[in-house]
Amino acid sequence: GAVVSQHPSWVICKSGTSVKIECRSLDFQATTMFWYRQFPKQSLMLMATSNEGSKATYEQGVEKDKFLINHASLTLSTLTVTSAHPEDSSFYICSAWGLNYGYTFGSGTRLTVV
Amino acid sequence: DQQVKQNSPSLSVQEGRISILNCDYTNSMFDYFLWYKKYPAEGPTFLISISSIKDKNEDGRFTVFLNKSAKHLSLHIVPSQPGDSAVYFCAVVHITGNQFYFGTGTSLTVIP
Repeated sequence: GAVVSQHPSWVICKSGTSVKIECRSLDFQATTMFWYRQFPKQSLMLMATSNEGSKATYEQGVEKDKFLINHASLTLSTLTVTSAHPEDSSFYICSAWGLNYGYTFGSGTRLTVV
Repeated sequence: DQQVKQNSPSLSVQEGRISILNCDYTNSMFDYFLWYKKYPAEGPTFLISISSIKDKNEDGRFTVFLNKSAKHLSLHIVPSQPGDSAVYFCAVVHITGNQFYFGTGTSLTVIP
């Protein structure tokens, strides 16, 4: 079946630094990728939707300058948390949509900003 | 506005009994529906899906029912097992509109 690789699986960074999270579709081409954030004991919150080669569409309330999304190829999307602060600590999950493959999720990244 | 809702945040079921998880959506244009299972600190894993042209899809212990007129989706797990304890998310898709929405999740606990 379709596999989406997300890494790192966990990362600790200092406040003010930037962190990049990668999401790769390993055996299919993902025309659309989604980035989610989950706070403890809460639902997954869609942050943005990105189509290959175009700018990401951000959900209301998500700062596009803080959460930079790049979807340069059909198999790779990246989320960069810029100038991270402790309130950005969360669990981030990507998913990829591919024709005939449906929606497949990455394994998530636990970000801790200290 | 929430496109999809799961009104029960939690559910407890005795092992061996049936678990029924419910999901309501708002837009009749959604044409594909999925259920995901999620353990803490992990990404959701796909469980079962159904397209809008069907009203039932079965896979082992898991059956998904779709009632388009009521805009209602349900997942039945029978018999329930302790390993089924997790958070279950329904998701709705409008394929041509490239829209994908998650429900708020239901935490299922299967009591041994």
